[in-house]
Amino acid sequence: DAGITQSPRHKVTETGTPVTLRCHQTENHRYMYWYRQDPGHGLRLIHYSYGVKDTDKGEVSDGYSVSRSKTEDFLLTLESATSSQTSVYFCAISELEGQGAHFSYEQYFGPGTRLTVT
Amino acid sequence: ELKVEQNPLFLSMQEGKNYTIYCNYSTTSDRLYWYRQDPGKSLESLFVLLSNGAVKQEGRLMASLDTKARLSTLHITAAVHDLSATYFCAVGASGTYKYIFGTGTRLKVLA
Repeated sequence: DAGITQSPRHKVTETGTPVTLRCHQTENHRYMYWYRQDPGHGLRLIHYSYGVKDTDKGEVSDGYSVSRSKTEDFLLTLESATSSQTSVYFCAISELEGQGAHFSYEQYFGPGTRLTVT
Repeated sequence: ELKVEQNPLFLSMQEGKNYTIYCNYSTTSDRLYWYRQDPGKSLESLFVLLSNGAVKQEGRLMASLDTKARLSTLHITAAVHDLSATYFCAVGASGTYKYIFGTGTRLKVLA
């Protein structure tokens, strides 16, 4: 299994409070991602990073910010949590794999964080 | 903008039967992935498909890719209960490192 951990694994917080989720990898992969999973929506990309201090927005980035100050850590921050941000959050990592014309950026997923905003 | 449509959303099937899950996407892509997710768990990679006509098989599951039709299929042969899970396809957006996921197919195999 790819070395990906997420913390915390479970969190309950109140509306309006700031929340930071951490993704830590030991694989030295360049690319890191944050997704949220909600029933009926599959996984939706929030933000991703293509290197230290290099990040970009995904499909559902409003209300979220990210930071990556070193290769192994990717932080997701909810500045002021809302009930609509209650979800399961997954971190993923990827790196260029393969040779020649056949390459892949296969993603490996962390265990997830269940966040409840009351 | 890349959109990914997966169907069916739910699939209940008897053991021993065959069935296919479909994944359609709206714009050109150079990579497509299939994942499995068990309830309360993370996603497990099943297949990586990188070229037109690519076919991958693992046990009772076989995935294929038709880039011209922008279609991938996940075929289940002689289903068994252990295959009960949610299956997702994910498509890489060309020229980016982004992935767009389908909404998932929840498969239940009945004994």
